[in-house]
Amino acid sequence: KNEVEQSPQNLTAQEGEFITINCSYSVGISALHWLQQHPGGGIVSLFMLSSGKKKHGRLIATINIQEKHSSLHITASHPRDSAVYICAAPNSGGGADGLTFGKGTHLIIQP
Amino acid sequence: NAGVMQNPRHLVRRRGQEARLRCSPMKGHSHVYWYRQLPEEGLKFMVYLQKENIIDESGMPKERFSAEFPKEGPSILRIQQVVRGDSAAYFCASSLVAGAGEQYFGPGTRLTVT
Repeated sequence: KNEVEQSPQNLTAQEGEFITINCSYSVGISALHWLQQHPGGGIVSLFMLSSGKKKHGRLIATINIQEKHSSLHITASHPRDSAVYICAAPNSGGGADGLTFGKGTHLIIQP
Repeated sequence: NAGVMQNPRHLVRRRGQEARLRCSPMKGHSHVYWYRQLPEEGLKFMVYLQKENIIDESGMPKERFSAEFPKEGPSILRIQQVVRGDSAAYFCASSLVAGAGEQYFGPGTRLTVT
């Protein structure tokens, strides 16, 4: 079964700062997911990636399959980016699988 | 194209009652996953279903919990004889394909057991 570790658990930064959240997993996977959850809110899928790098607006996700490591970056951070960011990997590595989640990174961006 | 629908969004049950949570996947999706988020904890996998089949229920508590995804209609997560510890947010997700399929999450059902 996959184990997913995220760091940091909590992150407070000033508006405009460059943010990096890290994720590592134990079992080789077909794809890794990055999710966003606002307090009391639903879950939004930000990225699903299996190699290299993906970019959407100010968000960038990278993955290194050999090292079993992924990062989520936020450029020019803004208070509305404040949320919990969660990485998730397939339970047993395959794609047709439920997900194992990291504990999440609580991000607060102060104006 | 509607997203994943869950209802009810909020459910209050007294201890010992039954809770039924429904999940309608995105149109055309035949893979459904249920996850639970206990207060102040992370998300945990419960069960993975395809139409009429349970594929993986390794995350389901052994007693009182069951899930189904019939040929017609939504997927149902059923909790019998609820206890206070069942209070949580229950999310379902659906995907179109097996393999590296992206999962789309519903808004969740917040269950409160009084």
